[in-house]
Amino acid sequence: GAGVSQSPSNKVTEKGKDVELRCDPISGHTALYWYRQSLGQGLEFLIYFQGNSAPDKSGLPSDRFSAERTGGSVSTLTIQRTQQEDSAVYLCASSSGPGGGYTFGSGTRLTVV
Amino acid sequence: KQEVTQIPAALSVPEGENLVLNCSFTDSAIYNLQWFRQDPGKGLTSLLLIQSSQREQTSGRLNASLDKSSGRSTLYIAASQPGDSATYLCAVPPGAGNKLTFGGGTRVLVKP
Repeated sequence: GAGVSQSPSNKVTEKGKDVELRCDPISGHTALYWYRQSLGQGLEFLIYFQGNSAPDKSGLPSDRFSAERTGGSVSTLTIQRTQQEDSAVYLCASSSGPGGGYTFGSGTRLTVV
Repeated sequence: KQEVTQIPAALSVPEGENLVLNCSFTDSAIYNLQWFRQDPGKGLTSLLLIQSSQREQTSGRLNASLDKSSGRSTLYIAASQPGDSATYLCAVPPGAGNKLTFGGGTRVLVKP
């Protein structure tokens, strides 16, 4: 597609429920990143996918967070047993590689009540 | 470990003034540097991408310079408008690592 698409744009969930956030990167982009941004805070790196290599999961805050990227394209970030501190905007970005620029999606605003 | 710093953290100017936003980074082994704009509660919009071999990039009223040797980039916005009010972020992609490193951002307010 023309840009990075994220869905849903907004998600309200009850504490303890599982949620899935979707990212559809730019076609042909081999690198895909997930970040999150809590209210008034900077961007926090979560996970990075590059081609068929093992993902860099070093930013995932707990084992309740997981992500996968199917067929080198669409990625899903799953948060199990959501907590109120998980409330944030979750941003996805893709890139053609280290020399290319990064394109971000519009984000998913997650609110855990 | 790459560290990126943006000064000032916040800036308020009257409409029409030129804006100067600074970004510094500690590891000069970068592929490129990218400037983004973020409106409240929104995603990031790419403004300019400067490759490591370039010294500057221009787009309309925006001009970004890059001095790798001193680890600095400056974003100039000419003749500011209230619509320029946003947070501006600079970021460098990994040299040896995987994480795009962001500065803390400069929050800009242009008063009409």
